[in-house]
Formats: sequence, structure tokens, C-alpha cells
Amino acid sequence: AQTVTQSQPEMSVQEAETVTLSCTYDTSESNYYLFWYKQPPSRQMILVIRQEAYKQQNATENRFSVNFQKAAKSFSLKISDSQLGDTAMYFCAFCHTGANSKLTFGKGITLSVRP
Amino acid sequence: DGGITQSPKYLFRKEGQNVTLSCEQNLNHDAMYWYRQDPGQGLRLIYYSQIVNDFQKGDIAEGYSVSREKKESFPLTVTSAQKNPTAFYLCASRAGARYEQYFGPGTRLTVT
Repeated sequence: AQTVTQSQPEMSVQEAETVTLSCTYDTSESNYYLFWYKQPPSRQMILVIRQEAYKQQNATENRFSVNFQKAAKSFSLKISDSQLGDTAMYFCAFCHTGANSKLTFGKGITLSVRP
Repeated sequence: DGGITQSPKYLFRKEGQNVTLSCEQNLNHDAMYWYRQDPGQGLRLIYYSQIVNDFQKGDIAEGYSVSREKKESFPLTVTSAQKNPTAFYLCASRAGARYEQYFGPGTRLTVT
């Protein structure tokens, strides 16, 4: 069974600074996807970024980028130029490919951006 | 506008009553999912359906039931057998060839 671990329950960052959120996972699969989702106070889950395990290049989406270390089973999210609207819970999620594909979520991290 | 709708946003029920949560999508997605979220927890999978008229239990299916009679709709019934039904419930869907899921706005269920 796959597990996703987010060991930091809370983090805080000053507006305009950079912050990195950590995530590790455990799997015996070789083909899989990793995701970061954002849940702001509205509680709407929003896809932030995705990474295919077979791609060595780290995914980027505007101010969001990942550091994917497949051998270490690590998948951290870097938020650059933090904005007040980045204040949210962030969930790391794993998904194996193939039939009956399901997402396994970490417990999340609460990020607060200070003005 | 394509998307996933869940209704109602807030739902209140007395203990012992069954309650059905609605989830509708117009994204033409094949797969749909139901999750439960509790404070301090990640999302836990209740049920999922890859295709119409077929569904599978997730990690915490006890006390819940679902149906998938139409591609667009995947209602979740919280039965009186569910011991701790008060939670935030999220519905999601996924296109067949992709692995990311898209979520509805959620329903907050309170049972007293």
C-alpha cells in the first residue's frame, strides 16, 4: 500500500519570500503521478501542480515548482514570491497508473503567509 | 461552465436518519470519487466509480452507500450505520486518460 507523509503540520512565511513544503511517499510502483493540491479557507480543493514519475524534469507552474527526487521518494513544493492568497492547507497526493487508479493523500500542511 | 457541483453546502440531520449528498459533473468524466475530510486528517476515500453502473469500496466504506446510474451523477448516502457521520464530504471526478482529480466545493454534514 502507498503512503504519503507530510511531517510539517504548519509553516509560516513572509509575503514575497520563498517557502518549501516537504512530502515523502512510499511505493513499490515504478509508474505513478504526484500532485500538490491547495485548500484555501473556502475549502475548495485546487490542483496546484502535477509530476509524472517517468519525467526527470521538475514540473513548474508560474510561482510553483517541485523538487522531485525519485530515488529518495521525495516531492517538495516550492512557492516563490509568496502572496497572501497562498494562505491555505496544502496536500501532497500520490496516484499509481493503470486500472482502479486512486489518490492517496498526506495529512496536509497549513501555510500562513504574513503581510 | 464545466465543473462539479455538490449540494447542499451545509446539511443538518438527526442521528438515526439516512441522508443523501448530491454530486453532479458536466465535465464528461468517466470516474467519480467520494472523500471524507476530518480536522487534522487528509482526505480519505469512501467509494469510487470508474464507469456507469459500477463502483468500488474505498478505505472507509462502512456506513455509506452509492449509486452510479448516470455518468454525470454519483450520489452518496450516509446511513444510520455510520458511527461518526459529521464531517466535510468532497466529490471529485477524473477524465479517463488523465490521473489528476477535480473537486466539487464540498458538503459539510452535521449530525446531532
